[in-house]
Amino acid sequence: EVQLLESGGDLVQPGGSLRLSCVASGFTFSSYAMSWVRQAPGKGLEWVSTISGSGGSTYYAVSVQGRFILSRDNSKNTLSVQMNSLRVEDTAVYYCAKVGLVGVTRDAFDFWGQGTMVTVSS
Amino acid sequence: DIQMTQSPSTLSASVGDRVTITCRASQSISSWLAWYRQKPGKAPEFLISKASSLESGVPSRFSGSGSGTEFTLTISSLQPDDFATYYCQQYNNYPLTFGGGTKVEIK
Repeated sequence: EVQLLESGGDLVQPGGSLRLSCVASGFTFSSYAMSWVRQAPGKGLEWVSTISGSGGSTYYAVSVQGRFILSRDNSKNTLSVQMNSLRVEDTAVYYCAKVGLVGVTRDAFDFWGQGTMVTVSS
Repeated sequence: DIQMTQSPSTLSASVGDRVTITCRASQSISSWLAWYRQKPGKAPEFLISKASSLESGVPSRFSGSGSGTEFTLTISSLQPDDFATYYCQQYNNYPLTFGGGTKVEIK
């Protein structure tokens, strides 16, 4: 059974930093690209970032480019995102999501974690 | 960026109704489109990929169609579990983009 468990969400001041993690199980983690998708309170879904299975390729939304850094540790089945220079508009539930097809970086997200809340406020 | 536009934004329906949601892309995305269902307070659930391929385990009352720029999600007989918000998403190219969502409410 595929499981994705996010952690690290917290209340942080504008300009601050936070690191989110997602621990995966139930599939060969290194074979699949992984992504973060966020949802601001009462709003729709917004893709944030994707990393290839090897970790060699990363893709970012313009809204987080230069502030967020995506990484993965395939030995620990863990996906992470380092979020710097946080803004009020980064407030959202952050979901970890698995890309459906092996070996590609673009596909539907077939499994999602339960989400972790990030609140940026003074 | 490819803009995804869903309609309607809200839909009122009854159990047993046939429901259709439309998703339009601002440029052709071939069939690289997914649909998700999100219940309140929960993570999205994957329903359909490649515009019309039903995910394993998803009830057959769900179906998807379309290609290019126009797509539809149809629920043939709405069930209580289906009152939720539905999102389309294109994965033709980056940045990946979602539609604004369609909330299916109880009439």
